[in-house]
Amino acid sequence: AQTVTQSQPEMSVQEAETVTLSCTYDTSESDYYLFWYKQPPSRQMILVIRQEAYKQQNATENRFSVNFQKAAKSFSLKISDSQLGDAAMYFCAYRQEDGGATNKLIFGTGTLLAVQP
Amino acid sequence: DTAVSQTPKYLVTQMGNDKSIKCEQNLGHDTMYWYKQDSKKFLKIMFSYNNKELIINETVPNRFSPKSPDKAHLNLHINSLELGDSAVYFCASSQDAWTGMRGYTFGSGTRLTVV
Repeated sequence: AQTVTQSQPEMSVQEAETVTLSCTYDTSESDYYLFWYKQPPSRQMILVIRQEAYKQQNATENRFSVNFQKAAKSFSLKISDSQLGDAAMYFCAYRQEDGGATNKLIFGTGTLLAVQP
Repeated sequence: DTAVSQTPKYLVTQMGNDKSIKCEQNLGHDTMYWYKQDSKKFLKIMFSYNNKELIINETVPNRFSPKSPDKAHLNLHINSLELGDSAVYFCASSQDAWTGMRGYTFGSGTRLTVV
């Protein structure tokens, strides 16, 4: 069974600095998708960034970028120029792509990011 | 205009009661999900429906019964509520059950507290 591990329960960063959140996953599949979701205190789950496993190029979305290392099964999130509004719980998630109808999103345990002014 | 809306946002009820949580999506998606987020913030899938058909049913007590009257709605009914059912329940939708690229769109969650 696929698993997603986030080894940092909590992280802290100074405003305007850069922080990297770690995520590793375990799978025997070659085709899959990886996601980072943000959950602020409002509880809303917000998609931050996604990566297709077959793409070598790391995904970027404005201040957010990933370091995808397929062989190492690692998918870290880098937040540049951190802002107070980035403070939230961040979840790494995996979804298999094998054409089956029972694909589901599997989440890690989350990293709580604090941003210090 | 909210894409995935859940009602109610908060629900406090006594043990043994029966309650329902409603979910509606206006994205035209074919697939809807229920996820449970426990007190440690861990998110785990409970059910998935594709075009009103149940396709994922994780190991969930029989007291939980999802119902999908149409592909835009997925409700969750819980019988004989227990203290351990206290959690945040998220509804989500995706374009379909097969292609994972776009991920899910989540509702804002329903915080259920059983006292």
